[in-house]
Amino acid sequence: EGQLVESGGGLVQPGGSLRLSCAASGFIFSSYDVHWVRQPVGKGLEWVSAIDSFTDTYYAASVKGRFTISRENAKKSLYLQMNSLRAEDTAVYYCARGTFGALDIWGQGTRVTVSS
Amino acid sequence: DIVMTQSPLSLPVTLGQPASISCRSSQSLVHKDGNTYLSWFQQRPGHSPRRLIYKLSNRDSGVPDRFSGGGSGTDFTLKISRVEAEDVGVYYCMQGTLWPYTFGQGTKLEIK
Repeated sequence: EGQLVESGGGLVQPGGSLRLSCAASGFIFSSYDVHWVRQPVGKGLEWVSAIDSFTDTYYAASVKGRFTISRENAKKSLYLQMNSLRAEDTAVYYCARGTFGALDIWGQGTRVTVSS
Repeated sequence: DIVMTQSPLSLPVTLGQPASISCRSSQSLVHKDGNTYLSWFQQRPGHSPRRLIYKLSNRDSGVPDRFSGGGSGTDFTLKISRVEAEDVGVYYCMQGTLWPYTFGQGTKLEIK
C-alpha cells in the first residue's frame, strides 16, 4: 500500500515562512486528492488545505491568504508554503491521501513551532 | 463551514462492553451525488490517525468488525460492539461532503 513522508518542519519566528514537503510512494500520486491536516500538541485535528487531481485548491479560513498548497506529480510530491506564521500555527502537520471524501493514508507528521 | 459536534468528549468503558460515539453536523452531509461523506478515524496515543469508516458505514480493510458506522442526514454514530484494550485512543468524525472538510472535536475512549 502507499506511503507518505513529510519533511520541512522546524522552529520559525512569528511572521516568518516555512515550506513543508510530502513525498508519496506506492500509488499513482497524480490520480488522488492530497491534503494537509494539523494537530496542536494535545489537541484535536484541524483540516488545513487540499489540492485535487485537477490542481484545484481548497483552504481552511484560518490559513487562507497565508498558506499555499501545490503539487509536483512528476516528483510525487505535495507542498505547503506557509507565510506570515503565527503562534497558533504551531502544530504537527500531516499530509494525507483523499479517497471517497475521506483520508485513507496518513504520514507520520512534521512538527512546526512558531516562537520567538 | 459545516460544524461537526461529537459527544461525549470522554468515554470510559469497561472491557467487553459496547461503546457509542455520536457526531452531529450543522447541515446535511448528503452530497448531490447521493453519497454521505462522513468518516471516522482512530488515533492511538503517539500515532497518526487511522481511518476506520468511510462513506458513513464502509469499514476499511483490516478494521475489526466490532466497529460499525451508521446514521443519516446530520446525525451519525460510531459503535464498538465489545471494547478491547487496543481500542484506547481518540476518535474523530470528519465530513468530506463540502469544502472545507471539517473534523469533530474528538472523543477520548479509555478503559474503566
